[in-house]
Amino acid sequence: LAKTTQPISMDSYEGQEVNITCSHNNIATNDYITWYQQFPSQGPRFIIQGYKTKVTNEVASLFIPADRKSSTLSLPRVSLSDTAVYYCLVGDIPGGGNKLTFGTGTQLKVEL
Amino acid sequence: SAVISQKPSRDICQRGTSLTIQCQVDSQVTMMFWYRQQPGQSLTLIATANQGSEATYESGFVIDKFPISRPNLTFSTLTVSNMSPEDSSIYLCSVTTEGGMNTEAFFGQGTRLTVV
Repeated sequence: LAKTTQPISMDSYEGQEVNITCSHNNIATNDYITWYQQFPSQGPRFIIQGYKTKVTNEVASLFIPADRKSSTLSLPRVSLSDTAVYYCLVGDIPGGGNKLTFGTGTQLKVEL
Repeated sequence: SAVISQKPSRDICQRGTSLTIQCQVDSQVTMMFWYRQQPGQSLTLIATANQGSEATYESGFVIDKFPISRPNLTFSTLTVSNMSPEDSSIYLCSVTTEGGMNTEAFFGQGTRLTVV
């Protein structure tokens, strides 16, 4: 599984756009990029997943450059409730059975 | 999607005792995963539990310390044996399912274990 590197922490204010970048220099051809969010006292929750270019859903966007050696999670107009730890994971995804390797994650703190 | 119920949500245990954590999923899944999250740290995979076979343990984790049962496709238990204060952590079970274009992992709320 490819190793990931992300900032330990980030601070932002309500209403701002937050971009969290993850480096994964040794990503393999079959690897997907997945981001999870974890609030205190809860298990991680899936945010978004992509292979290349750009993916957008109702929560976030994921930007992946052509070389796929990094990815950026973009959270538009964050609120206090977006304060959480965000994990970037990279790995092959066989149908319904992959185990996950979590890196250190990024602690996002959103303030008024 | 999958809904996971984990019990107990928290416990305080004496050193030298054992605690069994239960994980119930609302759908049948092939593999269930057990993770440990030490205070302020990321998640570390303990083992993968398959129905009908022995669990597969990750490096640093052994069956004698963390025995796992998987009696059917919706249920698993993790036992933390002969506990010491170093076992104080959050223990989470997880399953992965394919949801449309994505393969997602779903987690239980976790069991917060404190060993005194």
